[in-house]
Amino acid sequence: NAGVTQTPKFRILKIGQSMTLQCAQDMNHNYMYWYRQDPGMGLKLIYYSVGAGITDKGEVPNGYNVSRSTTEDFPLRLELAAPSQTSVYFCASTYDQGGTDTQYFGPGTRLTVL
Amino acid sequence: RKEVEQDPGPFNVPEGATVAFNCTYSNSASQSFFWYRQDCRKEPKLLMSVYSSGNEDGRFTAQLNRASQYISLLIRDSKLSDSATYLCVVNTNAGKSTFGDGTTLTVKP
Repeated sequence: NAGVTQTPKFRILKIGQSMTLQCAQDMNHNYMYWYRQDPGMGLKLIYYSVGAGITDKGEVPNGYNVSRSTTEDFPLRLELAAPSQTSVYFCASTYDQGGTDTQYFGPGTRLTVL
Repeated sequence: RKEVEQDPGPFNVPEGATVAFNCTYSNSASQSFFWYRQDCRKEPKLLMSVYSSGNEDGRFTAQLNRASQYISLLIRDSKLSDSATYLCVVNTNAGKSTFGDGTTLTVKP
């Protein structure tokens, strides 16, 4: 098992550009999450999904979009990049049983918007 | 008020010390509780789940007080390798997960 994979590892964007952060898991997990982590801070939930075709907003969804067409993939879309979106982005998955299971994280994508 | 609040730290302790971290949560619908460890802005990894009866894993002990909406982590006999950021995580049964800002521990020789 590869676990949770994220691409790219690093990216520099110019203000106003768009990009998609990819996340995939091969553990047949139903729940998937996107977080961002700013320097010195904890992780903030952007969006999450409880299964294919179902997504919901987290704490900081503005400026982002997601889709979940398959169990394995959960891409995060930035439409108009802004400097405030400079952060480290982590994707995670879990085989949730009422929120009791461990989340497994990908290695992160380090995004800089200039 | 943040949904999950942790001791701001940082904690700097000598090897062999005992150190305790505290975490409070505001959502009374919270169902599951965890401590994660994060090294040098790598991905977080589960340290331990927290159960109402309290649980222990070697030098680590976690406690949950639902009435006070409070979670704790105790580390005994600290090792240099325990230096990391410790994240308190609270889940609802709808799958929403909220992280605290983390408490940084540095264990010194």
